[in-house]
Amino acid sequence: EPEVTQTPSHQVTQMGQEVILRCVPISNHLYFYWYRQILGQKVEFLVSFYNNEISEKSEIFDDQFSVERPDGSNFTLKIRSTKLEDSAMYFCASSMASGRVGEQFFGPGTRLTVL
Amino acid sequence: RKEVEQDPGPFNVPEGATVAFNCTYSNSASQSFFWYRQDCRKEPKLLMSVYSSGNEDGRFTAQLNRASQYISLLIRDSKLSDSATYLCVVNMPTSGTYKYIFGTGTRLKVLA
Repeated sequence: EPEVTQTPSHQVTQMGQEVILRCVPISNHLYFYWYRQILGQKVEFLVSFYNNEISEKSEIFDDQFSVERPDGSNFTLKIRSTKLEDSAMYFCASSMASGRVGEQFFGPGTRLTVL
Repeated sequence: RKEVEQDPGPFNVPEGATVAFNCTYSNSASQSFFWYRQDCRKEPKLLMSVYSSGNEDGRFTAQLNRASQYISLLIRDSKLSDSATYLCVVNMPTSGTYKYIFGTGTRLKVLA
């Protein structure tokens, strides 16, 4: 069964450093998403991406964040200058469609720890 | 009012029990609804989509009540392996597109 994959599974970084989180969505999916989940809290939407551009972003997704689909298979989330409060689990998801029928499938997540 | 609201629980039930969770949503124009299951420190896994007519998958039944703006999940004959957090997800319109909003989740513990 096709699945979303994410690398690395765990990333430790120093405050102020740049990190890139990588995702490979399910191959025939068209919509891609990043979410984060701070330990013990709810899953929060960051950004959705379709047709090589951002279709929606939350207030969390500020200028420190960017997304890219560099080669038609990978989907990346970059955090330019990490803060302590960026420590969280970051989940990538993909779906065939959006709106009414958009069932999303999640990757296993990257645990980001900012020291 | 929160966009998507769930009782955080925990719901502690014995094996074999029937348990029901509700989830309310604020935006009446929301289009699609889902239940996900999340185990501790794992990714959310799709349990089922929720259709207007209600739908059933084995021991799990989901219902949508648009008039009252809530969805429900019923689990019959609970198993130990059903212990997890159940997330309600609502696809809401915003600025011409849609955004998936997660509830905080309801924790279920099935006890032997």
